[in-house]
Order: sequence, then structure tokens, then C-alpha cells
Amino acid sequence: RKEVEQDPGPFNVPEGATVAFNCTYSNSASQSFFWYRQDCRKEPKLLMSVYSSGNEDGRFTAQLNRASQYISLLIRDSKLSDSATYLCAVNIGTPLVFGKGTRLSVIA
Amino acid sequence: EPEVTQTPSHQVTQMGQEVILRCVPISNHLYFYWYRQILGQKVEFLVSFYNNEISEKSEIFDDQFSVERPDGSNFTLKIRSTKLEDSAMYFCASSEVSGGTLVRETQYFGPGTRLLVL
Repeated sequence: RKEVEQDPGPFNVPEGATVAFNCTYSNSASQSFFWYRQDCRKEPKLLMSVYSSGNEDGRFTAQLNRASQYISLLIRDSKLSDSATYLCAVNIGTPLVFGKGTRLSVIA
Repeated sequence: EPEVTQTPSHQVTQMGQEVILRCVPISNHLYFYWYRQILGQKVEFLVSFYNNEISEKSEIFDDQFSVERPDGSNFTLKIRSTKLEDSAMYFCASSEVSGGTLVRETQYFGPGTRLLVL
């Protein structure tokens, strides 16, 4: 069973739409959770850390469900500049374990 | 804003040659990491480094790989005898701590070195 799984997409949404991604993880000992954004051929850039109580940063909301072992990312009012691949990352001890990413294309 | 830097941005080498990839982590960070991403695949952990020694490594990080902190700022990844399958993007990352608050353990990535082995 893969450690971190994401729907690869692509999600093609119009500007202004709300889109949600889920990510499941298999190791219940996972300690910390992150969403990174990766543009084509670039490095992962931290989008949000995911707190147990959930957290919001502008148009972005992250949630953690430890019982069901998944995290989610909600993007409201999508912009063209949100087009990227969104990587879920789980920290089990020191290394980050990444999902393969979900590709988002926001269309005008 | 402080950032992780990496050199070179691109490296082309012949199979069997040695390559050294360089990274300058964020200055107050104590943990350093190397990850790689083969084209079209996920980002994979290679090794973590703390207090001048390897703290954890993956199965990918075999005897062909080594890491070093030769001075107070640089952190290097050496591949002794490159293979075709080593072609990938190599990312260096750093964090303040490992464990602790989310803010302090967050890993920040450099722009990567694209390695092509011919």
C-alpha cells in the first residue's frame, strides 16, 4: 500500500471556482502534514502546514482527519496563478514522504 | 527572505563519472536533506544530515552516494559513479529542527540541480 496517495488529476476548473483535494496516508504514526505547491520543473514550495485543528490562509484551507488518515486542501476563488501541482507531504520522523501530486489547471 | 541555494542549476555528465552537487542551506537551520525527483515521478527522500553526520537515509542512498558539510555553509551530495538512472532533479532542503513545532520543522527546498547522465 502506497504511503501517501493523491488523485493525480488533472483538475480543470474555471477562474473563481472552488476546488478541493484530498490526500490519504497509510502510516498512523505520521506526525506532521504539509501542502506544497510545485510549478513545472521547479522546487516544491511550502503552501501550508496542516494543524490538527485545521487552518486557513486567505483563500486556502487545510484540514486534517487523523481518524480517517487524510488531509485536505480547499482553494476558494481560484486564480489562473493557482495552476500548479499540489503535493501532499507527511513527516514520519525526519524525512518527508510526498504524494505524487494533484495537478490543477485554472482556466480563464 | 532567506532561501536555500543550489549549484549548478544543470549538470550533464557521462555515465561512470563523479558529480558533486552543492547546496547552501538557510543559515540558522540545523537539519539538511537531499531529495530527488525523476521526471514525472514523486519527490523521494535520499538522506538527512545533522550535527555533521547522516541521521537517516533511504534505500536509494547506496554506497555510490555520499554527503559532506565541508565548511560552515556548504552541504554537498556526491555521486561516485553515475548511472543513467541517476538522471533526475536533485533538491536540497533544510529545516531549523526535526520534530518540535510545525513552523520550526518545516523543510524549505532549494531550486534544484537537474542532472542528466548520458
